[in-house]
Amino acid sequence: EVQLVESGGVVVQPGGSLRLSCAASGFTFDDYTMHWVRQAPGKGLEWVSLVGWEGKSTYYADSVKGRFAISRDNSKNSLYLQMNSLRVDDTAFYYCAKGTYNGYFDSWGQGTLVTVSS
Amino acid sequence: EIVLTQSPATLSLSPGERATLSCRASQSMSSYLAWYQQKPGQAPRLLIYDASNRATGIPARFSGSGSGTDFTLTISSLEPEDFAVYYCQQRSNWPPYTFGQGTKLEIK
Repeated sequence: EVQLVESGGVVVQPGGSLRLSCAASGFTFDDYTMHWVRQAPGKGLEWVSLVGWEGKSTYYADSVKGRFAISRDNSKNSLYLQMNSLRVDDTAFYYCAKGTYNGYFDSWGQGTLVTVSS
Repeated sequence: EIVLTQSPATLSLSPGERATLSCRASQSMSSYLAWYQQKPGQAPRLLIYDASNRATGIPARFSGSGSGTDFTLTISSLEPEDFAVYYCQQRSNWPPYTFGQGTKLEIK
């Protein structure tokens, strides 16, 4: 059974930094592209970033480009999101999602809440 | 960026009825569309991919159709557990992957 468990969400001040983690199990982690998708409380879904299986190919939404950095450690079956220069509108649940070969998200974690507030 | 517009925003139906949800894209995207279900306090769940293929374990009452710019998710006979928010998502032109704003399916 695929399991994705996010951690690291806290309350942080505007301009601050945070690193989210996602621990994966139940599948061959280094075979799959991994994503972060976020959802502001009571709002819709927004794709944030992806990293290819090898960790070298990365893509970002314009809203986070230059501030966030996605990475992975295949030896630890882990996905990360380094979040810098945080803004109030970055407040959201952040979900780790396993990508399918054809660009969809077939397994999701339970999410971790990041709150950016002074 | 492809913009996805879902309608209606809210759909009120009773168990046993048929639900029809729409997703319209701002440009043609072949069949590169998925549907997700999200219940309160839970992560989204993939229902349909490539417009009409059911994901693993998804009941046959869920079906998807469409291509180009107009897509439909149909639930043939609503079960109590189907009342949730539904999102469409495109993978035709990325980055970014984009989602619709969601349709809330509520009990009438």
